[in-house]
Amino acid sequence: GESVGLHLPTLSVQEGDNSIINCAYSNSASDYFIWYKQESGKGPQFIIDIRSNMDKRQGQRVTVLLNKTVKHLSLQIAATQPGDSAVYFCAENSGGSNYKLTFGKGTLLTVNP
Amino acid sequence: NAGVTQTPKFQVLKTGQSMTLQCAQDMNHNSMYWYRQDPGMGLRLIYYSASEGTTDKGEVPNGYNVSRLNKREFSLRLESAAPSQTSVYFCASSGGSRGRGNQPQHFGDGTRLSIL
Repeated sequence: GESVGLHLPTLSVQEGDNSIINCAYSNSASDYFIWYKQESGKGPQFIIDIRSNMDKRQGQRVTVLLNKTVKHLSLQIAATQPGDSAVYFCAENSGGSNYKLTFGKGTLLTVNP
Repeated sequence: NAGVTQTPKFQVLKTGQSMTLQCAQDMNHNSMYWYRQDPGMGLRLIYYSASEGTTDKGEVPNGYNVSRLNKREFSLRLESAAPSQTSVYFCASSGGSRGRGNQPQHFGDGTRLSIL
């Protein structure tokens, strides 16, 4: 079964609001996590990553939080814009030297104008 | 920068036909990957190549073969296409290494394959 999953398959927000997308992982050995954005007809686009020695990492309008105690990952998008509408995937690398990723099923974010 | 380039973008095959999907990256990455994405599902790893000259099976390798032609190119072959292989196929590459640790995978825009 999936070792990475999402609590909410769809999320609808108003333009300008903050969005929070959640992800649970089951492998306590995972040491690297990534969030991707996928727009219709395109490949996944890297947003932000975080290593297991960190709890929080910020990018431009995005923040990733990692809670290793409960094996939970979240992506926060500030001031959500219509261009943020997409499917968001979390992924984990469960260690080892092959740098493979396991992906969750994704959350569809819809931003209403 | 081109990044990861996949060809073709679309293809329709008949059951039993063979096909090779091409992938090339210009980022000097060691690792390359092939995924399939089916509706409502995340990406599933078919095969990967951790370095030039090596390939390994992923989660769903049955019905596929791969070739790491050189550091830039990693091809995926369907020897006898089946309707269950109808999917969107993505190639990715990563600069992960022992020295740098894990690095993000960068994806192409996919090949949409239909098997009739």
